[in-house]
Amino acid sequence: AQSVTQLDSHVSVSEGTPVLLRCNYSSSYSPSLFWYVQHPNKGLQLLLKYTSAATLVKGINGFEAEFKKSETSFHLTKPSAHMSDAAEYFCVVSAAGGTSYGKLTFGQGTILTVHP
Amino acid sequence: NAGVTQTPKFQVLKTGQSMTLQCAQDMNHEYMSWYRQDPGMGLRLIHYSVGAGITDQGEVPNGYNVSRSTTEDFPLRLLSAAPSQTSVYFCASSPDRNGFSGANVLTFGAGSRLTVL
Repeated sequence: AQSVTQLDSHVSVSEGTPVLLRCNYSSSYSPSLFWYVQHPNKGLQLLLKYTSAATLVKGINGFEAEFKKSETSFHLTKPSAHMSDAAEYFCVVSAAGGTSYGKLTFGQGTILTVHP
Repeated sequence: NAGVTQTPKFQVLKTGQSMTLQCAQDMNHEYMSWYRQDPGMGLRLIHYSVGAGITDQGEVPNGYNVSRSTTEDFPLRLLSAAPSQTSVYFCASSPDRNGFSGANVLTFGAGSRLTVL
């Protein structure tokens, strides 16, 4: 079985300050991990993905995430928030084996608000 | 533009009515899937397909049917709509059957917002 928990349902930051969106996962097998972003009334867009290569993954728009196996975490960060970053973010896990093989499990989502 | 196209974008139904949500992709992707999105619950998989003629159930399949007669199209049918099916529905596709492994990236459509009264 696999699961993913996004620790904050809402995060509010000021423009120009750092962003941290937290994600913990559980998986019996080596996972693939993703972050997707959804802007209002839009579909989901991939930000970045981890698939057992480098543990620090860089994505689009200045976002990055670090895979920490010992902490079962995959937190998303950005050094300086822009107004255009305001959206909902989803952490997603996929297992490489077992009964959950190939199935994507989505976190509940974190809504990021950016204040001027 | 290449991508995943969903129609309609908005739909209001009465309880008991039937309808089909359309999904088409022009990227020759083998893997296609339907998700529903409800507040605070992320996305949940309804049905998926790893190629033409092959479909399987996801996490929440009850009340929905699918078929995959061509590589391009993957319609989702609601035979007798219920208020519990009020949701936003997303179709997503991935390049090949390895999309089922989860390692490949999903391309999402823009969504279809369904309200059942």
